Amino acid sequence: QKEVEQNSGPLSVPEGAIASLNCTYSDRVSQSFFWYRQYSGKSPELIMSIYSNGDKEDGRFTAQLNKASQYVSLLIRDSQPSDSATYLCAVNGRSNSGGSNYKLTFGKGTLLTVNP
Amino acid sequence: GAVVSQHPSWVICKSGTSVKIECRSLDFQATTMFWYRQFPKQSLMLMATSNEGSKATYEQGVEKDKFLINHASLTLSTLTVTSAHPEDSSFYICSTTGTGYNEQFFGPGTRLTVL
Repeated sequence: QKEVEQNSGPLSVPEGAIASLNCTYSDRVSQSFFWYRQYSGKSPELIMSIYSNGDKEDGRFTAQLNKASQYVSLLIRDSQPSDSATYLCAVNGRSNSGGSNYKLTFGKGTLLTVNP
Repeated sequence: GAVVSQHPSWVICKSGTSVKIECRSLDFQATTMFWYRQFPKQSLMLMATSNEGSKATYEQGVEKDKFLINHASLTLSTLTVTSAHPEDSSFYICSTTGTGYNEQFFGPGTRLTVL
């Protein structure tokens, strides 16, 4: 069973602080990793993708990948109240049905609350 | 990225009726679309992969005769929930890969409530 694990939270940080979100995955052959943001009642929005070990920065967001440890994280610098949402980690892997290689397995998400 | 729309955004129906949900790729010719379901406080679960011009590929445990998928054009995939029951009440979301590498872009979702 391919799994993606996240701390469900809630993670509460003050405005302006760094929020750190973590994710581990079980399938060693996974090659693509994604972070989605989902506001309550809305669909997920892609914020970061990472494919190689190391860090990838995009504005206030930094994704970190360590394939040896099967670990991927997301750092949000200068957190804003508008960042309050559930953050979903998604990992690309082979479909259980033998179908598309583009199957994404999602973690249950971490609820982030940024307090003004 | 890719821009994806869904219709309707919400629907309430009686138990036993069928409901059709449309997913449109507005700026990309999508040979593949994905259908997910999300229950409250749960993560997204892939239901099926919709392939243009061919049969959909369903994930284990998803009843293909209950969740009918049609992908007749490069811009439209439909999901029909047949003989809906209250346990089918959920948030149904479609996605497409767009021009990205394995990235998926989601539609706004359809909230189904079966009474």
